[in-house]
Amino acid sequence: DAKTTQPNSMESNEEEPVHLPCNHSTISGTDYIHWYRQLPSQGPEYVIHGLTSNVNNRMASLAIAEDRKSSTLILHRATLRDAAVYYCILRDVQTSGSRLTFGEGTQLTVNP
Amino acid sequence: DTGVSQDPRHKITKRGQNVTFRCDPISEHNRLYWYRQTLGQGPEFLTYFQNEAQLEKSRLLSDRFSAERPKGSFSTLEIQRTEQGDSAMYLCASSLARVDGYTFGSGTRLTVV
Repeated sequence: DAKTTQPNSMESNEEEPVHLPCNHSTISGTDYIHWYRQLPSQGPEYVIHGLTSNVNNRMASLAIAEDRKSSTLILHRATLRDAAVYYCILRDVQTSGSRLTFGEGTQLTVNP
Repeated sequence: DTGVSQDPRHKITKRGQNVTFRCDPISEHNRLYWYRQTLGQGPEFLTYFQNEAQLEKSRLLSDRFSAERPKGSFSTLEIQRTEQGDSAMYLCASSLARVDGYTFGSGTRLTVV
């Protein structure tokens, strides 16, 4: 699986937007960009995924650069419950089967 | 839909003992995955089932590890002759289609003493 690069940690204030960056310069044409988050003592939680176009769902928005070498997960209004480790993962369903390869992610701290 | 269930939530075992974990995926999901996570690290892939067929296994899955999904519904992960290095969170996930996101369970925390 192609590698992603994320900052180790980020901080935000409650009720402010948060932009979590992810670089994936070696992305291939068949790589989907997936985001998961993991709260303490829980399993990872699916957030959003996309291929080329920007995506929105009830949890977040995913902005994908035109060249697809980077993406940004956007939390529109951070809450204390958004404090978690956020993982950006490339998933090539054609060559890597169904596995997800997690990196170390970004630890998001939300200040009240 | 009660999500992905894992049992037990915690297991403490003595080195050398065998342990078995159970995972009940979301009922309509035909794909099931096992991952392992140690403290401070992201989850690592162990194995993947589509229905009852085990289609992919990681090199992390040594001979002491075996996973089954006999009727394409629940799955079990057994670790024989446990070692202290097996101490980790064991996570199960399921999904419906190949490109879909996974739904993870809360995991089984194994401590080998």
